[in-house]
Amino acid sequence: QSALTQPASVSGSPGQSITISCTGTSSDVGGYNYVSWYQQHPGKAPKLMIYDVSNRPSGVSNRFSGSKSGNTASLTISGLQAEDEADYYCSSYTSSSTYWVFGGGTKLTVL
Amino acid sequence: EVQLVQSGAEVKKPGESLRISCKGSGYSFTSYWISWVRQMPGKGLEWMGRIDPSDSYTNYSPSFQGHVTISADKSISTAYLQWSSLKASDTAMYYCASLREAALRVWGQGTLVTVSS
Repeated sequence: QSALTQPASVSGSPGQSITISCTGTSSDVGGYNYVSWYQQHPGKAPKLMIYDVSNRPSGVSNRFSGSKSGNTASLTISGLQAEDEADYYCSSYTSSSTYWVFGGGTKLTVL
Repeated sequence: EVQLVQSGAEVKKPGESLRISCKGSGYSFTSYWISWVRQMPGKGLEWMGRIDPSDSYTNYSPSFQGHVTISADKSISTAYLQWSSLKASDTAMYYCASLREAALRVWGQGTLVTVSS
């Protein structure tokens, strides 16, 4: 069982918006603004999409946005495109001995 | 361009030892920690641990402490992940990534380790 909880799957049609949640505790998501999100296409290495809850690295589309409320972080993808179909993982620093934790991952299907 | 290039796929037998590598280029290797991440077949990402290449200080996830060793040679900008006695359950893809400002910003291409008798 992963330390952070994500839905196993979400889906949406091209042009729509979807949101993926990531629920942790006050020791990780809720306690620090160190939530990051990663996109992974099949057979590829993960790619950083969001860091520090809501910041986008250079080169990442502004269709991707992040937010946090309490112990739950969220990734929103607007204007869905076929290329967005991938697995998405949240991650956070944690004050526990684990130091760093991932969510279980969410498979995004673009219908 | 900042890059992490990992060593190639490995096929090993249970009980054998193994060391895989991750070479950084395009930046000062000692400036950012290197993390290792496991992905078992069809499963999610698991953080294994990290190393500060400047002084080789390490942190391990409790799930991996004692099962693997993370090291680095800053003179050749390379980090390592090693096992002394592999098990079939170590079969997975292993990624290195640079940990900078609380995010895994640059990832290696991955090293597939297969352990089978």
